[in-house]
Amino acid sequence: DTAVSQTPKYLVTQMGNDKSIKCEQNLGHDTMYWYKQDSKKFLKIMFSYNNKELIINETVPNRFSPKSPDKAHLNLHINSLELGDSAVYFCASSHSRLAVNEQFFGPGTRLTVL
Amino acid sequence: SQQGEEDPQALSIQEGENATMNCSYKTSINNLQWYRQNSGRGLVHLILIRSNEREKHSGRLRVTLDTSKKSSSLLITASRAADTASYFCATDGSNFGNEKLTFGTGTRLTIIP
Repeated sequence: DTAVSQTPKYLVTQMGNDKSIKCEQNLGHDTMYWYKQDSKKFLKIMFSYNNKELIINETVPNRFSPKSPDKAHLNLHINSLELGDSAVYFCASSHSRLAVNEQFFGPGTRLTVL
Repeated sequence: SQQGEEDPQALSIQEGENATMNCSYKTSINNLQWYRQNSGRGLVHLILIRSNEREKHSGRLRVTLDTSKKSSSLLITASRAADTASYFCATDGSNFGNEKLTFGTGTRLTIIP
């Protein structure tokens, strides 16, 4: 009965590869997010989707492409991985797009690019 | 640029003592939230305080907000070993729209049994 789940939990890959991370929420929320947490624990928003519509797109390289097939799923595809992409990626969801809402986070995906 | 900065960056106290963490931010806000992150886990929402509120309580947590100083504090009373975690403040405000949370740099709290 996990609220927000992500797969995989760990991802180790070579530079230049393409990889995907999947996220699913069973809370019935309208809004989902991708965050990146660096080695200093700084958490920065990357993307946000509301009912499958992209509403926040921070200055993220276009090697990163989110996709939301339905409002319960938000996947993140990364092309041509670079060393600097190594981080923990968190998916989150909230009831609506307003930032006043509590956000529910997944367990994170630790990506290591070698 | 970072909206919130927590102070101190790290804090170690004995179990049973109170822990206070501070968050400063740069621009006007609508709301401020505090989250906890246990090692290797996702963030968990603790409490929200609105810009027109000065203090809020939830169990052993007490949050204050001073909009004139652009700062907030989180007090955890009677700390327990299970409180060991990183704590983040997050703000949303007019400069960032009301759809985006901007997280601070976090305080790593260690409770010594």
